[in-house]
Amino acid sequence: GQNIDQPTEMTATEGAIVQINCTYQTSGFNGLFWYQQHAGEAPTFLSYNVLDGLEEKGRFSSFLSRSKGYSYLLLKELQMKDSASYLCAHMDSNYQLIWGAGTKLIIKP
Amino acid sequence: ETGVTQTPRHLVMGMTNKKSLKCEQHLGHNAMYWYKQSAKKPLELMFVYSLEERVENNSVPSRFSPECPNSSHLFLHLHTLQPEDSALYLCASSQEGKGAKVTDTQYFGPGTRLTVL
Repeated sequence: GQNIDQPTEMTATEGAIVQINCTYQTSGFNGLFWYQQHAGEAPTFLSYNVLDGLEEKGRFSSFLSRSKGYSYLLLKELQMKDSASYLCAHMDSNYQLIWGAGTKLIIKP
Repeated sequence: ETGVTQTPRHLVMGMTNKKSLKCEQHLGHNAMYWYKQSAKKPLELMFVYSLEERVENNSVPSRFSPECPNSSHLFLHLHTLQPEDSALYLCASSQEGKGAKVTDTQYFGPGTRLTVL
């Protein structure tokens, strides 16, 4: 079957670094997505990984290990506006997105 | 600013009402999606349209009826809903390739918050 897991909630301090982990099980794989969703707003695309390794984009980086079925989103120099839910999703062999339940990130001053 | 718009943003309806949700994408994409998002649950894919043809229907109850008149517009018609259907309904669009069916990143609208009384 297919499954994807991420922590329900995390708390971090403004200016710090936080890593949000995501693990998945799938019989077919066509990439791993991270989206950000502020309360009451649309999910917005953050990153896409299909090969192993780290993709850096400003303060945000995303890592993938296909052999381990593991990804993480790394957020540096945290700002209050980074308080949001972060959704992990992998694309299966049918090119459908399989979503995690999201990680609610709370940033404290 | 998002290239996908949804109306209405909020909807309250009784179980005997009939209403429709509307989605419009301004990105020139050829695939559109309806998702249901309930609190603390993963996004549930409901319907997928590619080139205006329905290609996925993930065991959604018949009280939800999609319509895709063209590649820019998508509707979700609602009738005789149940209180457990209360959720955020998200529309998304993407550009789907031919042949290998490679699908590009999905872009979401802001959603319609639906409450069924």
